[in-house]
Amino acid sequence: GAVVSQHPSWVICKSGTSVKIECRSLDFQATTMFWYRQFPKQSLMLMATSNEGSKATYEQGVEKDKFLINHASLTLSTLTVTSAHPEDSSFYICSARDSRTARVGPYNEQFFGPGTRLTVL
Amino acid sequence: GQNIDQPTEMTATEGAIVQINCTYQTSGFNGLFWYQQHAGEAPTFLSYNVLDGLEEKGRFSSFLSRSKGYSYLLLKELQMKDSASYLCAGRDSNYQLIWGAGTKLIIKP
Repeated sequence: GAVVSQHPSWVICKSGTSVKIECRSLDFQATTMFWYRQFPKQSLMLMATSNEGSKATYEQGVEKDKFLINHASLTLSTLTVTSAHPEDSSFYICSARDSRTARVGPYNEQFFGPGTRLTVL
Repeated sequence: GQNIDQPTEMTATEGAIVQINCTYQTSGFNGLFWYQQHAGEAPTFLSYNVLDGLEEKGRFSSFLSRSKGYSYLLLKELQMKDSASYLCAGRDSNYQLIWGAGTKLIIKP
């Protein structure tokens, strides 16, 4: 149990285009999902916390108009990188947990998707 | 402020034991996590400590001292596949994970 999928696993796009990344919890309901960005040889950087049915909470320094997050259902959150530029090239990882219960994991830990590698040319 | 400190890189020999230390400062405390991350992949959950003491899980053990704000991950009988980054993360009173920068563990034959 507790499987999180991401789609696509990798994407290459031209500068100025928008890219949508999907994060799905496959066998549990995720009231909370997290979006991270990770540059090479660096640790995870939390971008935003996405709560089902409400607006996402963005970390300081993350542009909410550039990184649009939608968490319209209990199993799906999407991150759209708008007007992507080469500096947005990174590994984007989502994670999910059911904040209502510890049913998914005994420690209510976050379960991570496999990540999406974005390359902007 | 909130902070997690862990060494940047460590090297160990196959078959040996290695201990990766982590010190943390969080606003409130709801547990300490260790995750393993292989290059180009997402992190995978290794261990969780919320009470003082040692939690053993096969070749991996994790220790916590809340009074010292200190944890370590102990890896025994090292295998080449253990070469990865090990991420320490403290969970604060808002259930937010505060991540360390990760320790890259290099295993040599």
